[in-house]
Amino acid sequence: DAGVIQSPRHEVTEMGQEVTLRCKPISGHDYLFWYRQTMMRGLELLIYFNNNVPIDDSGMPEDRFSAKMPNASFSTLKIQPSEPRDSAVYFCASKRGQPMAGELFFGEGSRLTVL
Amino acid sequence: RKEVEQDPGPFNVPEGATVAFNCTYSNSASQSFFWYRQDCRKEPKLLMSVYSSGNEDGRFTAQLNRASQYISLLIRDSKLSDSATYLCVVVSGGYNKLIFGAGTRLAVHP
Repeated sequence: DAGVIQSPRHEVTEMGQEVTLRCKPISGHDYLFWYRQTMMRGLELLIYFNNNVPIDDSGMPEDRFSAKMPNASFSTLKIQPSEPRDSAVYFCASKRGQPMAGELFFGEGSRLTVL
Repeated sequence: RKEVEQDPGPFNVPEGATVAFNCTYSNSASQSFFWYRQDCRKEPKLLMSVYSSGNEDGRFTAQLNRASQYISLLIRDSKLSDSATYLCVVVSGGYNKLIFGAGTRLAVHP
């Protein structure tokens, strides 16, 4: 089975540009998560979806960030406009609901650099 | 205060050593606990679950102390391949909101 697929793997952009990160979860998983990882702050939960519906977006830093899940096999995380402090590795992860609550499968991450 | 806190390390230990990591969490209503492992420039992967009664998986032992709100991971007979960052994970908000600690880095040397 294919794992969680993220694209792009690497992106370098200039401040002010729009960035769109994409994720395809594992088929059959009904939860999808977006995390951001930096050296300073570790792995932060940004938002998660259940059956394509956003459940908790309290971790989204500000209005410049938005996430969508139009169907069960695709999600996007958009940053507009991007800033240098957004530089991080963004991970998408998916899992089945209970009872396997802790088995979270991560993609390889999208490494974003904003100049 | 962060919801999940860990000592960032690094822990530098020789092969064969026993090393222990601790993690504290702030939400007393948290339901489930896990340890994940993250290799350098890779994604995190589930290492093991943590149960109140304690659980063991080979050289790895995980324990939970609900009264003190901390979780521990013990690694016996360390191998070079154990070098990684170990992330403590607490599940809150029902059974599906996974909160990660910042991780503890372990470096095992010959």
